[in-house]
Amino acid sequence: DTGVSQDPRHKITKRGQNVTFRCDPISEHNRLYWYRQTLGQGPEFLTYFQNEAQLEKSRLLSDRFSAERPKGSFSTLEIQRTEQGDSAMYLCASSLLAGVDNEQFFGPGTRLTVL
Amino acid sequence: DAKTTQPPSMDCAEGRAANLPCNHSTISGNEYVYWYRQIHSQGPQYIIHGLKNNETNEMASLIITEDRKSSTLILPHATLRDTAVYYCIVKRDSNYQLIWGAGTKLIIKP
Repeated sequence: DTGVSQDPRHKITKRGQNVTFRCDPISEHNRLYWYRQTLGQGPEFLTYFQNEAQLEKSRLLSDRFSAERPKGSFSTLEIQRTEQGDSAMYLCASSLLAGVDNEQFFGPGTRLTVL
Repeated sequence: DAKTTQPPSMDCAEGRAANLPCNHSTISGNEYVYWYRQIHSQGPQYIIHGLKNNETNEMASLIITEDRKSSTLILPHATLRDTAVYYCIVKRDSNYQLIWGAGTKLIIKP
């Protein structure tokens, strides 16, 4: 399967702990996106990378959140000092460079529960 | 904020055509209409997109009104596996962001 993969699929943590999620995009895709989705809502954009460069961060991405894509391949999203409000599905997507046909391919998501 | 309006839910009988409406009255001339769907507990899946002309692929057809203020996604022969939340999104082709609304929850009934 050469789609977008995310690890772990589920994460339960206690408030105040740090968590890290991984996303492996489709291999030839230059762009990688992170979204957050809460119950009953559509995904909300967090940040995106073009190759290894992080080009945009949403206001939703507080100082406790950091994302990296060190070699322009896989990406990690870390949340420090988790809060109950961080409980959500974290989605990763990848695409080729922007253009008419730059559909974003999504991974299955990582569901975070903060107790 | 999302630039589209969709009904929160719809039902459709299995085997019939499912017609999902979307209002995007403030769409700009260079913005495309994209449709994605999200089956329960899965990531969103791209369906189709268009600018002005009607589009068809193996999954669905997209009908865009002449004034481009609304569109309809058509699933020609709905199956139970088409039960999902369907999102209509407007996006400039150079704009990296997808701005999502709450979508339409489509339930296909046997």
